[in-house]
Parts: sequence; structure tokens; C-alpha cells
Amino acid sequence: EAQVTQNPRYLITVTGKKLTVTCSQNMNHEYMSWYRQDPGLGLRQIYYSMNVEVTDKGDVPEGYKVSRKEKRNFPLILESPSPNQTSLYFCASSFTGTGSYEQYFGPGTRLTVT
Amino acid sequence: RKEVEQDPGPFNVPEGATVAFNCTYSNSASQSFFWYRQDCRKEPKLLMSVYSSGNEDGRFTAQLNRASQYISLLIRDSKLSDSATYLCVALSGSARQLTFGSGTQLTVLP
Repeated sequence: EAQVTQNPRYLITVTGKKLTVTCSQNMNHEYMSWYRQDPGLGLRQIYYSMNVEVTDKGDVPEGYKVSRKEKRNFPLILESPSPNQTSLYFCASSFTGTGSYEQYFGPGTRLTVT
Repeated sequence: RKEVEQDPGPFNVPEGATVAFNCTYSNSASQSFFWYRQDCRKEPKLLMSVYSSGNEDGRFTAQLNRASQYISLLIRDSKLSDSATYLCVALSGSARQLTFGSGTQLTVLP
């Protein structure tokens, strides 16, 4: 089954404790992206990657890191989480090139930082 | 000003009603447009792409007006299962950046 998976789905942590949220897709997509969703603000892009070893900042990259060592994986790293990073996080992937390619989203990771 | 703006609603309509959602975008360089559907606490899923000529998929019709930078979604004969949040989305740039509106919440009542 074609899908984007994220782990963990739910995480409660404390300020300053490093964490990683994994994202994996099995559709051979070049493009991967991380979003956060907050009430009233909608989905905002954190980081994206056009291909292996190519990453770039989205609209709200502060406090986050990413890496793209393999095509299928795009982990999101919070080196020192803070309460304002409490949010619902989505990973997404799609093909690139010309045309309007659908972005497929993972099931989401609900993060609470206390 | 947000790049993609939607009326947040909520829209509460009876089953069988026709409901229309509107959306405006500020980036005239946006290349493609979509409507995504998001059920409570779930991931967004593509409902339909939006073309300048207008397009229809069953009970759903999407329209794009590039001159006015305006997008619409019409749902006819609404069903209980249409209850969700509808996200207006613009794609721009070679980086394929998606910009989302905040979403319009729809509840279809029996």
C-alpha cells in the first residue's frame, strides 16, 4: 500500500529534551516536506527536500532540523524543544517535475512540550 | 495579510443543501490550486485540483478566477459524510511550496 508513515503518532516531552520524529514514504517520491498545524494558523511549512541531500527552509524553520540521507526517509529533529513547538506535525511527499502532483500526507504526530 | 484566505466558518447546513466556499490568494505567481479535505485530527487529503476552465467531480465543482485571484468550491446535495474542514491550497515556485488557507469547517446536519 502506498503511504507516508510517521512515528511516533503521539509524544509528550519536556523542554530541552532532544527528539526526532521519523517520516518514511514508499512511493519513490523525490519531494518531501514537514508542516505544523496550529489552530487558526493552518498548515505552515517547516522544511522541505527536493531530493536526497537537498533540503531547504520553509516558512517556520526556527528550532527544527532535518536530514535527507535516503530518498524514502525525512526525519524532523527538535534539538531543544520548547512549549511553543507543541503542535500537530505532518510529513508529506510527492513527485516533482512539471505538472500538479498531489502531496500525500502522513497521519500526523501530535507533540506536546511541557 | 495571509497568502491564502478563507472564511473559517463554521458552516452548518442541512443534508441535501448546496454550500459554497470561497478563497482568495495574494501571490499572483501561484501556479496551481487545490482543495484538500481534512477530517478531525486526521491528515489532509486531496479533494480536487482547480483549473481555470472549472472542473467538476460528482457533486463537487471547483472554479478558479486568476484575474480576481479567487477560488471556489461548490458542494451540491451535501451528505453527512461531507462534514470536514476544507483547505484551499496554492502551489508556487520551483520548490513546489504549498500554501494552505486556515480551512473552512463544514458540518452537515441530519
